Amino acid sequence: DSGVTQTPKHLITATGQRVTLRCSPRSGDLSVYWYQQSLDQGLQFLIHYYNGEERAKGNILERFSAQQFPDLHSELNLSSLELGDSALYFCASSPRLQPNNSPLHFGNGTRLTVT
Amino acid sequence: GESVGLHLPTLSVQEGDNSIINCAYSNSASDYFIWYKQESGKGPQFIIDIRSNMDKRQGQRVTVLLNKTVKHLSLQIAATQPGDSAVYFCAEKLGGGADGLTFGKGTHLIIQP
Repeated sequence: DSGVTQTPKHLITATGQRVTLRCSPRSGDLSVYWYQQSLDQGLQFLIHYYNGEERAKGNILERFSAQQFPDLHSELNLSSLELGDSALYFCASSPRLQPNNSPLHFGNGTRLTVT
Repeated sequence: GESVGLHLPTLSVQEGDNSIINCAYSNSASDYFIWYKQESGKGPQFIIDIRSNMDKRQGQRVTVLLNKTVKHLSLQIAATQPGDSAVYFCAEKLGGGADGLTFGKGTHLIIQP
């Protein structure tokens, strides 16, 4: 068990809808990263928050947004969903701003299916 | 394109044999490398890491080798067991920045009985 908790495990929704994915990092970790995993693209970095502030953006669509709350949990909001958004969404946490000496620890993901 | 990639998408080995999974990276500025194991229905699980100032690091049944000259990373698993069946990803961290890790597409390790 990595200590990173993601909810829900599965989510099925229709095109055009909006969903929120939730992540609780490991105790003491200040950094939260969001990744998308699809069959053809592998693990793609979306966004990074550190202690409540956005620190880096990757391949994140404008329809997607995230935030990190004072208790350090994070939410990823996906709106105007399209079929192509179906994927696994992972959250990872790390104690530091830059994981140069410590790995990211991943949750078990949320499987999103858009129908 | 990706700066991290794997040579083989699938690797099949006999139980008890040693496994070697390879990874090439293209960014010489990367200073930290990690191997992850992902089992079906689970998130990537940390196996072992290595910094760019090292050539080799050993863990329990696993060894990571880093060859900076040819930008190559490998994961060796000794005495492969059925529980080692999974997809293995290498990941790199570019020096500086807050972008997290860049992942390769993964190698599926299959253990034959």
